[in-house]
Amino acid sequence: GENVEQHPSTLSVQEGDSAVIKCTYSDSASNYFPWYKQELGKGPQLIIDIRSNVGEKKDQRIAVTLNKTAKHFSLHITETQPEDSAVYFCAASDNYGQNFVFGPGTRLSVLP
Amino acid sequence: NAGVTQTPKFQVLKTGQSMTLQCAQDMNHNSMYWYRQDPGMGLRLIYYSASEGTTDKGEVPNGYNVSRLNKREFSLRLESAAPSQTSVYFCASSEFSPEQYFGPGTRLTVT
Repeated sequence: GENVEQHPSTLSVQEGDSAVIKCTYSDSASNYFPWYKQELGKGPQLIIDIRSNVGEKKDQRIAVTLNKTAKHFSLHITETQPEDSAVYFCAASDNYGQNFVFGPGTRLSVLP
Repeated sequence: NAGVTQTPKFQVLKTGQSMTLQCAQDMNHNSMYWYRQDPGMGLRLIYYSASEGTTDKGEVPNGYNVSRLNKREFSLRLESAAPSQTSVYFCASSEFSPEQYFGPGTRLTVT
């Protein structure tokens, strides 16, 4: 089955700096890669996703890159703000949401 | 439009007690899911329902049962709670695409 690894487990950055979180996956059949943000006491919220026919996708300060050959994808947050502090999860699945597997999460702290 | 709602928000059970976690979505989604979240382990799929009338096991189904009551509602039942089932439980839903939308969670403690 699919296995998703995520690094680092914790990340602290100064406000205004960039943050990068990396994930690797094992199943070459996976072709949908979402990122979720989870704030304290809340459920995960989808913030950006990418499919295997795209190498990079941007949404304001957030971007995701995908290297399908190497089976890894990354989340990039630029100009970080204190409200970006949360736990971020990557995941991998096929196009139908089957075999949806999450990474263990990264706790991001943005220091003012 | 409330999205995905879960009840209760918190619950404490004694070992051996039973309870049902409720989930409802108002987005007319076909698929619904139950996950558990434990520290350092991300979210693990317990059961899912690809459409009304169907349910399938996920990664960690032992000790749980589910019922897809109708298109809106998907419940998770613990017949005989164990301390190992102490966790935060999330329900999610999706349409035919893989994007999943999560509820706020139920924090369960089994003593």
